Amino acid sequence: EVQLVESGGGLVQPGGSLRLSCAASGFTFSSYDLTWVRQAPGKGLEWVSTITGSGISTYYADSVKGRFTISRDNSKNTLYLQMNSLRVEDTAVYYCAKDRASGGYGDFDYWGQGTLVTVSS
Amino acid sequence: DIQMTQSPSSLSASVGDRVTITCRASQSISNFLNWYQHEPGKAPKFLIYAASSLQSGVPSRFSGSGSGTDFTLTISSLQPEDSATYYCQQSESTPPAFGQGTKVEVK
Repeated sequence: EVQLVESGGGLVQPGGSLRLSCAASGFTFSSYDLTWVRQAPGKGLEWVSTITGSGISTYYADSVKGRFTISRDNSKNTLYLQMNSLRVEDTAVYYCAKDRASGGYGDFDYWGQGTLVTVSS
Repeated sequence: DIQMTQSPSSLSASVGDRVTITCRASQSISNFLNWYQHEPGKAPKFLIYAASSLQSGVPSRFSGSGSGTDFTLTISSLQPEDSATYYCQQSESTPPAFGQGTKVEVK
């Protein structure tokens, strides 16, 4: 059974940093692209970042480029999102999601339950 | 970047009704269109990929159609458990944009 479990969310002041983790199980971790998607309060889903299975290629939304870094440890089956220079508008539930098929089709068949990040003074 | 627009933003329908949600892309995306169901406090659920392929385990009352720029999600007979927000998402190019969502209320 595929499982994705996010952790690391919390309350942080503007300008602060936070690192999210997503522990995965139930599939061949290194074979699949992984993605972070967020949902701000009262808003819809917003793509944040994607990393390929090998970890060689990464992609970012313009809204987080230069502030967030996606990475993965294929030996630990864990995905990360390092968030620096956080802004109030980064407040959201952050979900990790797995690509449906190896090779990067960009559709997401399994999602975690999410972790809440609140940026506030 | 490709923009995705859904309509309506919300709808209310009765059990057994046929419900249709529309999604339009700002440029052609062939059939690289996916649909998700999201209930508050839960993980989003993957419903349909490649515009019309039903994900394993998804009830057959859900169906998708369309290509190019115009797509639809249809629930053939609405059930109480279908109360949720539905999102389309294009996977033709990066960034993989989502529509703004359609909230479905079951009367």
